[in-house]
Amino acid sequence: QKEVEQNSGPLSVPEGAIASLNCTYSDRGSQSFFWYRQYSGKSPELIMSIYSNGDKEDGRFTAQLNKASQYVSLLIRDSQPSDSATYLCAALPGSNYQLIWGAGTKLIIKP
Amino acid sequence: DTAVSQTPKYLVTQMGNDKSIKCEQNLGHDTMYWYKQDSKKFLKIMFSYNNKELIINETVPNRFSPKSPDKAHLNLHINSLELGDSAVYFCASSHRVGTPDGYTFGSGTRLTVV
Repeated sequence: QKEVEQNSGPLSVPEGAIASLNCTYSDRGSQSFFWYRQYSGKSPELIMSIYSNGDKEDGRFTAQLNKASQYVSLLIRDSQPSDSATYLCAALPGSNYQLIWGAGTKLIIKP
Repeated sequence: DTAVSQTPKYLVTQMGNDKSIKCEQNLGHDTMYWYKQDSKKFLKIMFSYNNKELIINETVPNRFSPKSPDKAHLNLHINSLELGDSAVYFCASSHRVGTPDGYTFGSGTRLTVV
């Protein structure tokens, strides 16, 4: 069974520090990976996608993919209180599949 | 200009009632989804339609019936509502099944069954 696992948290990080969120996936054939942010009472919004091994940077966000170890991570630099949210990791096992979702990690940025 | 819109945003109803949630997307996407998110925040896929054709039908009580009149619309009808149906229901769309572009979500419908 295809699974995506995340630590549910909460992960508490001081303002200005680096927040590191991790995700592992079971299907070695997974090709694309996504990080969604979900504020309380709101819908998930896509913040990063990554398809190749290595790092992908977008502003304060960096997604990291290691297919050999089957993990994906999201780094948030200079964390702000507005980054406090639940972060959902999702993997796409293949072109004919739907997204497989993790349960999300709740991130709290403390001023 | 809302990309994926759901109505209603809130729905409070009594057990045993029948209710519908509507979803429309103006992104030109081929595939639409219904998700249920419980209090623990886990997103569970319920149904998926591709160009009006049902392609995913997870283990969901048959009291839930989706309907897609065209590829821009996907509605969800729920019969004989139960307390356990209380959750947030999200509609989402994507270019196609298995797209590497991710999904776009509607704002959600918070269903409370009393």
